[in-house]
Amino acid sequence: DAGVTQSPTHLIKTRGQQVTLRCSPKSGHDTVSWYQQALGQGPQFIFQYYEEEERQRGNFPDRFSGHQFPNYSSELNVNALLLGDSALYLCASSTGTGSYNEQFFGPGTRLTVL
Amino acid sequence: GNSVTQMEGPVTLSEEAFLTINCTYTATGYPSLFWYVQYPGEGLQLLLKATKADDKGSNKGFEATYRKETTSFHLEKGSVQVSDSAVYFCALLNPSGTYKYIFGTGTRLKVLA
Repeated sequence: DAGVTQSPTHLIKTRGQQVTLRCSPKSGHDTVSWYQQALGQGPQFIFQYYEEEERQRGNFPDRFSGHQFPNYSSELNVNALLLGDSALYLCASSTGTGSYNEQFFGPGTRLTVL
Repeated sequence: GNSVTQMEGPVTLSEEAFLTINCTYTATGYPSLFWYVQYPGEGLQLLLKATKADDKGSNKGFEATYRKETTSFHLEKGSVQVSDSAVYFCALLNPSGTYKYIFGTGTRLKVLA
């Protein structure tokens, strides 16, 4: 049973560019959450997708957007990249029903903005 | 609002020493509590969890007890190994209308042979 997978593993961009990160959830999961983990910090919630819609959003600007596909996979898009966007981006999947939606994390995509 | 506070690191111990990493939380309702571990260059792995007061989560020799009266979820291990060197994150998940984890800032553990 494959767990959560993310691509690419590493990415280098320059300021002002746009980037797309991809995530495939664990089998049987229908909900995808994205987190940003800056160096030396804990992960910060960006947003969560369920039934192809953004269900909740953290304190991130509109430059951060996402999408969920019918097969439950998801993309995170970041426009107009800033140096401060350099971080490990983690995807987590879970099931949409139930209160205690334990989330399973992927290995992350490390984004470096130069 | 919801928040998690962890003890500052790094924590440096000799092999076979006793480990405690403190974690306290602030939350409305009755959150689930988690400890995640992150090895260098990797993502987060769930270490253990507890979903209600007085529950004890345990895995790989690590334990943590959900203490509602002190709003704490301290991580302990009786005898650490060099392979336990990693960053440990305490987190809460509040089912009261939110869908996101709240993480602490992490505590780096270094175990010396």
